[in-house]
This record gives sequence, C-alpha cells and structure tokens, in this order.
Amino acid sequence: SQTIHQWPATLVQPVGSPLSLECTVEGTSNPNLYWYRQAAGRGLQLLFYSVGIGQISSEVPQNLSASRPQDRQFILSSKKLLLSDSGFYLCAWSRREVNTEAFFGQGTRLTVV
Amino acid sequence: AQSVTQPDIHITVSEGASLELRCNYSYGATPYLFWYVQSPGQGLQLLLKYFSGDTLVQGIKGFEAEFKRSQSSFNLRKPSVHWSDAAEYFCAVGPPPGGYNKLIFGAGTRLAVHP
Repeated sequence: SQTIHQWPATLVQPVGSPLSLECTVEGTSNPNLYWYRQAAGRGLQLLFYSVGIGQISSEVPQNLSASRPQDRQFILSSKKLLLSDSGFYLCAWSRREVNTEAFFGQGTRLTVV
Repeated sequence: AQSVTQPDIHITVSEGASLELRCNYSYGATPYLFWYVQSPGQGLQLLLKYFSGDTLVQGIKGFEAEFKRSQSSFNLRKPSVHWSDAAEYFCAVGPPPGGYNKLIFGAGTRLAVHP
C-alpha cells in the first residue's frame, strides 16, 4: 500500500531563518506531488505541484520554493521566512492518471516568530 | 473560474441527529467531486468521491453524498452523527479542464457534536 510521510510535524522558526520541509511517498511510482498551505480558518491553497523530477509549477507568487530531487521526494523551502509564512503545510500525492483523488500527509504546523 | 463554496463555516448538532453539510461548485465541465475530513492537527482523509454514474455515493464512516447537477451541489449527509465525527470537512472539485490533478477546495465546515 502507498504511504506518505511528512516531517517535521511542528516547527517554530524565527523570522529571516531558512526553511526545509520534506515529504516522501512510498509504494507508488511517478506520482503527482503537491504542497498545500492551510491558514487558520481558511481552506487549502495549492502552492506547488510536480509531475516529475525537477518539474515544479507554482500556483501563487510567494516567499517559498519547491524542489523534487527524486521521484518520490518533494521539498518545500524558503531562504528567509516571513511572519506571513506561518500556517499548516500539507503534502499530497495523486496517481499520474487524470481525475483521481489526492492523498495527504499529516501536515507540518509552522510558526514563524 | 472553478470554485467551491461551503456556505456553513460552523455547524453544531447533537449526537444521534442527522447531518447535512452543503457544498456548491462552479465548474466548466463535468466535475469530479470529493469530500475530505480533517481532525485537529491532522492531514485530510478522503470520505468519498464522485466521478460518474450513480449520483448518490457512499463513503466511509457512514457518510454519503448526492451530486445534483441542476443545483451544482454535492452535499454530504449522515443519518446519525457520532461524537467522533467532530472535525472539519472540506469539499473539493477537480481537476480543471486541461489541468493536472489540482483539487480546488472549499473553505471548510467545522462540525461540533453535542453529547
């Protein structure tokens, strides 16, 4: 069966510090990968998606970047965090075929102080 | 543009009562619709999905949803709510025509269950 791992679960970082959140998927090949952000009391906003190694598409302009160094690894990064980067970050994967559901990791609660 | 509206931000029901969570969508083609549930501090779990066929779909945990094209709705229902159903529920639609599997989510409905 497929599993998705996301870490760390919680993170408190000072403004201006770098960020690296990691997500890995097991039990499948060539997944589509996604990073979502969930702000308090709001829905999920898609930040990045990837259909293959090194292929990243950004949905919204922001202070964050994403990379996919391996087929089942997806990394969310920032060189300098802002207060507004605080939120709940969710990694997800879906099968390569169109129109299938997404499966989510357990999320990372990021607080920038 | 595609969008999902969940009109109710918070809903409170008594344990054992019936539940209906509303979801309306705006979509330019045949929609693919999903309901997810999120417990506090956790990821999202898929409850059910509609791709085609029977417009009444059954999901996990006793939930069901009905797709009504004429009303652009995909409401989630449960005949008898349990205290463990307290969570946040998200409706999603996707993917956009020609796009990848980019789900568009509603803002969510937070469900509280009174004993």
